[in-house]
Amino acid sequence: DTAVSQTPKYLVTQMGNDKSIKCEQNLGHDTMYWYKQDSKKFLKIMFSYNNKELIINETVPNRFSPKSPDKAHLNLHINSLELGDSAVYFCASSQEPSEQYFGPGTRLTVT
Amino acid sequence: AQSVTQPDIHITVSEGASLELRCNYSYGATPYLFWYVQSPGQGLQLLLKYFSGDTLVQGIKGFEAEFKRSQSSFNLRKPSVHWSDAAEYFCAVVGGSNYKLTFGKGTLLTVNP
Repeated sequence: DTAVSQTPKYLVTQMGNDKSIKCEQNLGHDTMYWYKQDSKKFLKIMFSYNNKELIINETVPNRFSPKSPDKAHLNLHINSLELGDSAVYFCASSQEPSEQYFGPGTRLTVT
Repeated sequence: AQSVTQPDIHITVSEGASLELRCNYSYGATPYLFWYVQSPGQGLQLLLKYFSGDTLVQGIKGFEAEFKRSQSSFNLRKPSVHWSDAAEYFCAVVGGSNYKLTFGKGTLLTVNP
């Protein structure tokens, strides 16, 4: 009964490919997020959805597109992957304005 | 815009010693403050949070933090560190109408036996 789950846990792909990461939460939260953690462990928010509506869209390349089919799911699609996209991507959810619950992360390696 | 500074990139303590991790924030109004811990290869786990009220907050695993508005600080403390506490610790602040969470750059804690 994992609260916030992500698939896949590891993703290795070549430059130029398109890939998706899926996130699901079973906490009944209204808000979901995507974060990127770089090689120096710095965590930065990318997107946030509240009840399927985009509310935070940080300065992220257009190659990244979030999709929220319902409030329990927030997927991240990445087009034309680049070496610099290699990172750990975390999904999180919250019931504002409370704390955020994080998924286990997806380690993306672009070769 | 809010920001968080964790002045110590890496701290090493001996098992059983006390610990204090520093966190300073910048935000115009009353912030919501958090400490998260990340063990190697794992996600982030919430240690404790401050929203309002008592400025000394207790968290899980024996951690506590004190909110000091005059110093814009929210330092994390533990009286006696265990080897299993070795991890990366992140301080974070939520501010603004969209409840954006901003993290500090983290402090890596090493525990010597």
